[in-house]
Amino acid sequence: QSVLTQSPSVSAAPGQKVTISCSGSSSNIGRNSVSWYQHLPGAAPKLLTYDNDVRPSGIPDRFSGSKSGTSATLGITGLQTGDEGDYYCGTWDGSLRAVVFGGGTKLTVL
Amino acid sequence: EVQLVESGGGLAQPGGSLRLSCAGSGFTLSDYSINWVRQAPGKGLEWVSFIFVTGDPIYYADSVKGRFTVSRDNAKKSVSLQINSLRVEDTAVYYCARVRGNSLTTQYFDYWGRGTLVTVSS
Repeated sequence: QSVLTQSPSVSAAPGQKVTISCSGSSSNIGRNSVSWYQHLPGAAPKLLTYDNDVRPSGIPDRFSGSKSGTSATLGITGLQTGDEGDYYCGTWDGSLRAVVFGGGTKLTVL
Repeated sequence: EVQLVESGGGLAQPGGSLRLSCAGSGFTLSDYSINWVRQAPGKGLEWVSFIFVTGDPIYYADSVKGRFTVSRDNAKKSVSLQINSLRVEDTAVYYCARVRGNSLTTQYFDYWGRGTLVTVSS
């Protein structure tokens, strides 16, 4: 059981928008910065956003991160078939003294 | 181009040992903290260990504490993960990831390797 809770799956049609949620607690998301990662089949995980809502250079503005209280959200607009894969949130947990990830959300672009 | 490459994975028996290595290119590995993350078959990402740029502090997930040892040799530009007392549940792809951010609480992983597969089976 992951410390951070994500919905197991989400799906939408090409061109549509999805949001992926990540729920935690005051010892992790509530106090610390959240990052989001994309893990496509056969590839290395890829950083999508960090510091809750900052996109690294090269990440299209279709991807956006946000945080409120003990929850974080990844938004993806203009869905493409190439976006299909697994998405993970991550942060530091001060009580556990550990990095914690969500269980992952599988995105299907129908 | 920044790249991280893991090596050392393979098939091992329960109770055995393996030593994984993480090498970096396109940047100076000794300037960065490194995390190890694993993914068991059909499962999500699981954080394993963190080693600070100087080698201290070091943190481990409870599931590996006492069995895994992370170290770094900045002169050799490598980070290693010694895995002892292997268990079947340690079977996973092991990734090393470069850490950015100003502190533990703001850290994120900006580059990851493609991973090395560890299979524990008798």
